[in-house]
Amino acid sequence: EIVLTQSPGTLSLSPGERATLSCRASQSVSSNHLAWYQQKPGQAPRLLIFDASSRATDIPDRFSGSGSGTDFTLTISRLEPEDLAVYYCQQYDTSPPYTFGQGTKLEIK
Amino acid sequence: EVQLLESGGGLVQPGGSLRLSCAASGFTFTYAMSWVRQAPGKGLEWVSSLAGTSGVAHYADSVKGRFTISRDNSKNMLFLQMNSLRAEDTAIYYCAKKGAYASGWSIYFDYWGQGSLVTVSS
Repeated sequence: EIVLTQSPGTLSLSPGERATLSCRASQSVSSNHLAWYQQKPGQAPRLLIFDASSRATDIPDRFSGSGSGTDFTLTISRLEPEDLAVYYCQQYDTSPPYTFGQGTKLEIK
Repeated sequence: EVQLLESGGGLVQPGGSLRLSCAASGFTFTYAMSWVRQAPGKGLEWVSSLAGTSGVAHYADSVKGRFTISRDNSKNMLFLQMNSLRAEDTAIYYCAKKGAYASGWSIYFDYWGQGSLVTVSS
């Protein structure tokens, strides 16, 4: 089973700043099968990025994903107050089990 | 518009059973479907996935032998039968659709329901 470790645990930034969230896998993720989700308080998760760098439908281009192998990054440029959320990465290698990182909580000052 | 609506959650005693349902609309119901859960204040945990038409299913080790996933494609419904429930099964259970660009069993989730809360307690 691939273990995903996200860092930092909490990130506190101001509107307009750039956020960089990390997701590290315990072994290489094949075909860059890595997704990012945003979960706002009291809501279901929402897909942001799939295949490490492809934006999902209706996701603003402020959100971008990068990385390969074991190291992946979600970047949010020009933070807005509505970006307050917990962000999760998920690997979907060739077959289950699918695993999620423990999450990064993004606070907006 | 894709919609997923879970129902069937509630309070159940340890050792008891519960059946969750997920009503799907807004897309052709031949995609693989999954259940993902979230314990109170915790992260996301994949529970089970079921292929669109083949009947092939996968389960997390934590629920294998106790939970059964099924679907009724004629009614666009997904189910999760949960038996021998434990306190650690307490969570919000989300129904989730396989991503449109996902292939085979390399599945990410592009749409999620709002979730159904299951509480296992005496």
